[in-house]
Amino acid sequence: GDSVTQMEGPVTLSEEAFLTINCTYTATGYPSLFWYVQYPGEGLQLLLKATKADDKGSNKGFEATYRKETTSFHLEKGSVQVSDSAVYFCAPRSGGTSYGKLTFGQGTILTVHP
Amino acid sequence: NAGVTQTPKFQVLKTGQSMTLQCAQDMNHNSMYWYRQDPGMGLRLIYYSASEGTTDKGEVPNGYNVSRLNKREFSLRLESAAPSQTSVYFCASSELSQGGSYEQYFGPGTRLTVT
Repeated sequence: GDSVTQMEGPVTLSEEAFLTINCTYTATGYPSLFWYVQYPGEGLQLLLKATKADDKGSNKGFEATYRKETTSFHLEKGSVQVSDSAVYFCAPRSGGTSYGKLTFGQGTILTVHP
Repeated sequence: NAGVTQTPKFQVLKTGQSMTLQCAQDMNHNSMYWYRQDPGMGLRLIYYSASEGTTDKGEVPNGYNVSRLNKREFSLRLESAAPSQTSVYFCASSELSQGGSYEQYFGPGTRLTVT
């Protein structure tokens, strides 16, 4: 089955620092790849996505590039803010299915200090 | 649009009691999902419904049942609650979007404690 390995947290950064959260996956076919974010006390929200190799997903200053050769989808942000403190989940969706079943990583807790 | 709604937000049960968690979506999505979230475990799929009239087991279905009541509603039932079912439960729905991806939209969650 599909699986995801995410960088273990928690990650603690100062405001304006550079962020990388690593994600590698195994999935069948040609998967779509997603990053979701969960703010305290809330459900998950889609942060960004990429549907084919070499695609770069981006949103709110976050970026991730679909690397098929390394089966990776690392999340980056050049300058984090306190408001980025949240839990981040990497999730592939296997190709070949007609619905959106995802496999989630264990999540990476990010805390940003002023 | 309310998106995905879940009731209740919080619930405390005693071991052996039963309850149903309700989920509804107003986005006309075909597929719906139930997850549980435990510390350090990410989200684990309990059951899903690829389309109205179908349901399938996910990764951790034991102790749960589901009903896809109609296209909008997907409920999760605990017949005899156990302390191991203490968790946060999320409902989600998805549909094929422009660009060919199936993005999932999540509800706010139900925090369940079983004593």
